[in-house]
Amino acid sequence: DGGITQSPKYLFRKEGQNVTLSCEQNLNHDAMYWYRQDPGQGLRLIYYSQIVNDFQKGDIAEGYSVSREKKESFPLTVTSAQKNPTAFYLCASRGQGANYGYTFGSGTRLTVV
Amino acid sequence: GESVGLHLPTLSVQEGDNSIINCAYSNSASDYFIWYKQESGKGPQFIIDIRSNMDKRQGQRVTVLLNKTVKHLSLQIAATQPGDSAVYFCAESISGNTPLVFGKGTRLSVIA
Repeated sequence: DGGITQSPKYLFRKEGQNVTLSCEQNLNHDAMYWYRQDPGQGLRLIYYSQIVNDFQKGDIAEGYSVSREKKESFPLTVTSAQKNPTAFYLCASRGQGANYGYTFGSGTRLTVV
Repeated sequence: GESVGLHLPTLSVQEGDNSIINCAYSNSASDYFIWYKQESGKGPQFIIDIRSNMDKRQGQRVTVLLNKTVKHLSLQIAATQPGDSAVYFCAESISGNTPLVFGKGTRLSVIA
């Protein structure tokens, strides 16, 4: 089955630690996105990538980093510079063509302990 | 600030009734709109989309209406069921090359 997989589902981070969230898709989609969702809030864009080896900052990129070495993979690193990282992180992908909608992963819940 | 927002953060409806969820957008250049459903602890799921050259689009039990004059989008769910209980987000995009901008969401609760 084609889809987008995020791992892990739950992640705990100590103060001052960097952690990396995985996002893999086998939909052959060119574009991939990372969003952050806080309780009772909408989705805010962290980073996105339209093509391999290229990515752009979203609205809340500070304290985060990404890479796009492969079309299938778009990992997100939450660095120690991110002062309030506890949130639900969603990865999405979008293919070419007339449908501009995203396919979302099931999310990673990150908690600082 | 957010360019896509919602008129009502929560909505409770009786099972079997129709639900209407509203959304306002501020960017007149947006040409694509989409509704997602998100259940607790899960990623959003596509419900229905509409382009700016249309006023209405229907799916299975759902209808999206677009009023470009007042920059308003609505999602209508017919014969609402308990399984429809979730948070619903609208989102907009200027073109296929720009990321979707999401509203804050409306929580729909279905009363059995």
